Amino acid sequence: DAGVIQSPRHEVTEMGQEVTLRCKLISGHNSLFWYRQTMMRGLELLIYFNNNVPIDDSGMPEDRFSAKMPNASFSTLKIQPSEPRDSAVYFCASSLKDGRNEKLFFGSGTQLSVL
Amino acid sequence: DQQVKQNSPSLSVQEGRISILNCDYTNSMFDYFLWYKKYPAEGPTFLISISSIKDKNEDGRFTVFLNKSAKHLSLHIVPSQPGDSAVYFCAASFNDMRFGAGTRLTVKP
Repeated sequence: DAGVIQSPRHEVTEMGQEVTLRCKLISGHNSLFWYRQTMMRGLELLIYFNNNVPIDDSGMPEDRFSAKMPNASFSTLKIQPSEPRDSAVYFCASSLKDGRNEKLFFGSGTQLSVL
Repeated sequence: DQQVKQNSPSLSVQEGRISILNCDYTNSMFDYFLWYKKYPAEGPTFLISISSIKDKNEDGRFTVFLNKSAKHLSLHIVPSQPGDSAVYFCAASFNDMRFGAGTRLTVKP
């Protein structure tokens, strides 16, 4: 099993550009989480899906952020337009939600720099 | 709204000694607690967990303690090894999973 796969590993873009981050879940997992890591707030939950349905997007900072799960194994996080304060490491994580206690498996993250 | 707090950004201990990492939470609905370990340029990886019905869980050198009345949990590493040097995140779960800001542990040889 390849684990959770994120792409790209690094993204450098200019303010105002659209950024798309991608995530492939572990096969068989049915929950998907997007987190953002910053020095000040640590790992901040942005949104999570269960069975392709967004359950809680209250952590999404602004309307500039959107996330989708077009199918059971893939998700995108889009920022349009991007701003320098969006610079952070973005992680996605997946789990098998078959009860209450679940472990998340994280990808290696996307380091985003908005200039 | 930080529901999970790790108030120590860093901790340094000598090899062979005990490392104690602390975590506080505010939401009494949390019923499952976890510790994750993160190396540079990698995603966090699961280390150990504890259900709210327990107050202690041990796995080798790692022990997690839960004090529900104080809404506090801690991770003990005994003995600490240089390979334990990493950022440790505390997490708490009910429907979703919330993380603290992390504590950077440095174990000196």
